[in-house]
Amino acid sequence: DVKVTQSSRYLVKRTGEKVFLECVQDMDHENMFWYRQDPGLGLRLIYFSYDVKMKEKGDIPEGYSVSREKKERFSLILESASTNQTSMYLCASSDWAGFESNQPQHFGDGTRLSIL
Amino acid sequence: SQQGEEDPQALSIQEGENATMNCSYKTSINNLQWYRQNSGRGLVHLILIRSNEREKHSGRLRVTLDTSKKSSSLLITASRAADTASYFCATAGVGRLTFGEGTQLTVNP
Repeated sequence: DVKVTQSSRYLVKRTGEKVFLECVQDMDHENMFWYRQDPGLGLRLIYFSYDVKMKEKGDIPEGYSVSREKKERFSLILESASTNQTSMYLCASSDWAGFESNQPQHFGDGTRLSIL
Repeated sequence: SQQGEEDPQALSIQEGENATMNCSYKTSINNLQWYRQNSGRGLVHLILIRSNEREKHSGRLRVTLDTSKKSSSLLITASRAADTASYFCATAGVGRLTFGEGTQLTVNP
């Protein structure tokens, strides 16, 4: 079974801190994704990556950056945390089958991040 | 705005009944996928239906797709308390999925 592991289930940080959220997958998937999930807004895509050192902006990239130095690891970085970034963050991975064929995504259990 | 919109937002039924959730979307798609999310957990992929398919089954799940109406439905038959969860449709465009806001299903024992 595919396993996507997020480093923390719960995290509390202070405004202005630089925050790192880590995600590791064990199925050699090319694609990795970061979403945030908020009540009434559903899942919104922050960034995604098709390959090592590649990244693409999603719908809400402002205030975030990502790093993919190794195929299995995709990090989300909050450059200077703000209270409006309090949310549930979900990481996912999937196989690559071309731009026209979206494979099922496998999700981690999420990190509930609170910014005080 | 979100590509997929689920309807209803919430659904409460008795164990053994069938549950139907609907999803509408706006633009052309490569495929449409349904996911389940238990409280406090990540999403789990349930079923994928391609744009050239009209119906697909997996166990107690039945998914239909009508590309002319840009809509899909998920039917869960003979529901169980363990089916209580949020259900999301996701439309597949170029290289990514776009999720709706989900339907919260409660199955009462």
